[in-house]
Amino acid sequence: EVQLVESGGGLVQPGGSLRLSCAASGFTFSSYEMNWVRQAPGKGLEWVSYISSSGSTIYYADSVKGRFTISRDNAKNSLYLQMNSLRAEDTAVYYCARARGDSGAFDIWGQGTMVTVSS
Amino acid sequence: QSVLTQPPSVSGAPGQRVTISCTGSSSNIGAGYDVHWYQQLPGTAPKLLIYGNSNRPSGVPDRFSGSKSGTSASLAITGLQAEDEADYYCQSYDSSLSGLFGGGTKLTVL
Repeated sequence: EVQLVESGGGLVQPGGSLRLSCAASGFTFSSYEMNWVRQAPGKGLEWVSYISSSGSTIYYADSVKGRFTISRDNAKNSLYLQMNSLRAEDTAVYYCARARGDSGAFDIWGQGTMVTVSS
Repeated sequence: QSVLTQPPSVSGAPGQRVTISCTGSSSNIGAGYDVHWYQQLPGTAPKLLIYGNSNRPSGVPDRFSGSKSGTSASLAITGLQAEDEADYYCQSYDSSLSGLFGGGTKLTVL
């Protein structure tokens, strides 16, 4: 079964750091581009970051640029999001999502992991 | 305020047809970038509904269809069913290749 499973969420104080992980299974992880998408409580979806299949190309939303770092380990079938200098507005469910090769549409999503930034 | 504009809500009776619009600009949809649509049922992760403007992944009923014209795109749902009640999001890109989502539309089946 094709699956993405996020982990690493939790409660963190403003200014703190957290590292999210996304474990992929059921497909050739190294062949796919990956993304992080977040959703604040009661709000819509917000794209956060993109990484190419090799990891050589990376993009970030302006709201997280300079604070978040996306990376991947194809040998471990894993995607990561290092989040530093966290703010209250980063509170959200974070989803990892696989991009279809033919269009870039997000065809497989994880169940999400909740990140709460609060003192 | 999302760069891609969707109506906050739409509604329809069972069996009816509803459409959800997604309006962008010459910097995103109008620049030729594809539009994708997602369905999010309450408490669940989003699910891909339409990719590449008008293509349905396997398993998505043909009641769902997408189109794109100029700086806008639309999702149409025919033969509305109670199980279609959900939030719907459009997605595209801009010239910096940043991903863009619409603000989302809540569909209520009356």
